[in-house]
Amino acid sequence: EAQVTQNPRYLITVTGKKLTVTCSQNMNHEYMSWYRQDPGLGLRQIYYSMNVEVTDKGDVPEGYKVSRKEKRNFPLILESPSPNQTSLYFCASSLLGNYEQYFGPGTRLTVT
Amino acid sequence: GQNIDQPTEMTATEGAIVQINCTYQTSGFNGLFWYQQHAGEAPTFLSYNVLDGLEEKGRFSSFLSRSKGYSYLLLKELQMKDSASYLCAVILGSSNTGKLIFGQGTTLQVKP
Repeated sequence: EAQVTQNPRYLITVTGKKLTVTCSQNMNHEYMSWYRQDPGLGLRQIYYSMNVEVTDKGDVPEGYKVSRKEKRNFPLILESPSPNQTSLYFCASSLLGNYEQYFGPGTRLTVT
Repeated sequence: GQNIDQPTEMTATEGAIVQINCTYQTSGFNGLFWYQQHAGEAPTFLSYNVLDGLEEKGRFSSFLSRSKGYSYLLLKELQMKDSASYLCAVILGSSNTGKLIFGQGTTLQVKP
């Protein structure tokens, strides 16, 4: 089944404790992206990647890191999480060239 | 700056037609997506417009006017399952760019 998977789905952590949210897709998509969704603010792009070893900043990259060492994986790293990073996070992937994006199920992160 | 405006909420009756508007002011434009998002779920693709005009797909149609910075999503023969948020998103810059800006989304409630 073609899909985007994210892990974990739910995470409660404390300020300053490094964490990684994994994202993997099995559709051989070149493009992958991370978003956060907050009430009243909609979806905001954090980082995106056009291909392996190619990443770029979205609208709200501060406090986040990404890497794209393999085509199928695009992990999101929070080196020192803070409470303002409490949010619902979505990973998405697509073919290159403005094709529709397929979203993962989301990761609900709470930082206390 | 980048700006995308959508109404926050709309209500319509089952069987009716509803139009959800989206206006945008962005630096660069390379296409516009509409996504549907049910509560607690990931967004799913509805439509993509890059040229002016109407794109029809079953009960859903999407219109774009690049000169006016305006798009709408038209939902016909509304069903209860159409109760969801509808997200407008603009691709910035030139072709094959990865940067995407979303509007805040319009929550549509369909009543019997």
